[in-house]
Order: sequence, then C-alpha cells, then structure tokens
Amino acid sequence: GQSLEQPSEVTAVEGAIVQINCTYQTSGFYGLSWYQQHDGGAPTFLSYNGLDGLEETGRFSSFLSRSDSYGYLLLQELQMKDSASYFCAVLRGGYNKLIFGAGTRLAVHP
Amino acid sequence: EAGVAQSPRYKIIEKRQSVAFWCNPISGHATLYWYQQILGQGPKLLIQFQNNGVVDDSQLPKDRFSAERLKGVDSTLKIQPAKLEDSAVYLCASSLLLRQQETQYFGPGTRLLVL
Repeated sequence: GQSLEQPSEVTAVEGAIVQINCTYQTSGFYGLSWYQQHDGGAPTFLSYNGLDGLEETGRFSSFLSRSDSYGYLLLQELQMKDSASYFCAVLRGGYNKLIFGAGTRLAVHP
Repeated sequence: EAGVAQSPRYKIIEKRQSVAFWCNPISGHATLYWYQQILGQGPKLLIQFQNNGVVDDSQLPKDRFSAERLKGVDSTLKIQPAKLEDSAVYLCASSLLLRQQETQYFGPGTRLLVL
C-alpha cells in the first residue's frame, strides 16, 4: 500500500520559521513535491525534491531523505499570507502521477 | 498566460441526479488530470489523459463516473447517478508534457454538494 503522513495543523507567528514534516510509504517512489492551497483556491506548486538534500526557493526550502522516507518543507520569515494548507505529494515512477497527503493547515498569527 | 479554467464553480444536486464538469487546460498542455478533493483531504487522482487518450483511470469509479477529452483539449467529467459521498471539490490540472517532474497546474475547482 501507500501512505503519507503529515501533521494536521501547525501554528506560528509572523516572522518565525516553521517546518512541516512528511513521512511516506510507497512503491515506485520517484520524488516528493509540495503544494500550497489557500481556502477555496487551487493547489499551487511550491517545490520538488528528486534527490536527497535541500532545495531552496526564496523563503521556502524543501528537504528529502530517501533512506528515511522523510521530507520537510521549511518556511522562513512567515507572513500572514502564508496561512494556507500545505500538501506533500509523492511522485510515483511512470506517468507523472502524484499521491497527495492529507495536508497541514498552517495558521500564521500577528 | 491563462490558467486552467473550470466550470461551473459550484453545483448543488440531489442524490441520483447526474452532473457534468468542464475543464479547459492551459493552451498547449498535452496532459490533463481530474482530481477529487474531499473536505479535509488531499486531492486524489481520478483520471489522467495524454492528448485524447487515457493514461490512468485506475481510481475512477467507472460504474458512475466517466470522462472524455475528445479533441485533446477540453475535458468533461460526468457523474451519473450521484451519491452523497461524491460531495467534494473536483479539480482539473494540466501539464505541458507527460513526463516525470512536469509541474501540474491546477484550476480553481468545482465544488459539488450532493443532498
């Protein structure tokens, strides 16, 4: 079978740093993606890790450890607009197929 | 560049009725995906097209759901008859190519409520 686990909710204050963890169990693992979704909005792509290590994109970084079946999304200098749900998604080998986790709801407070 | 367009944005129907959703992908995108997102869950892939051919429909409940992409551009997803558990957001996404790591771009979704 396949499963992804991530915390259901995280809260933080403006300007802080938050880390959202994701552990996965799946066959045919190819890479790990992260998507952001505001309430009522469309999921938007944030980051992708195909190899072990850290990928940095502005205030967002993502990490992958294939040997630990683990990844995380790091958000720095939090802003109110970062309040959203964040989904990790396993990319399975084959036809660009994504398997999404249940999402982590991030609330950023002043 | 225009994004993925979907209509309608909202739909309320009674169980056992039928409903159809429409998606227009980003211009030039060969691959189109339909996802179902139940409240509090992540999107779940229902069906994936490459041009007008089906690549993966392993998670599509084929007894009640159908989808087509006849000319390799627009797509329609239909539910007939609807059940209460079909209440969800139906998201359409597209990617330029059918290739690993190709970014999927999502539309705003159609929110379906089945009463």
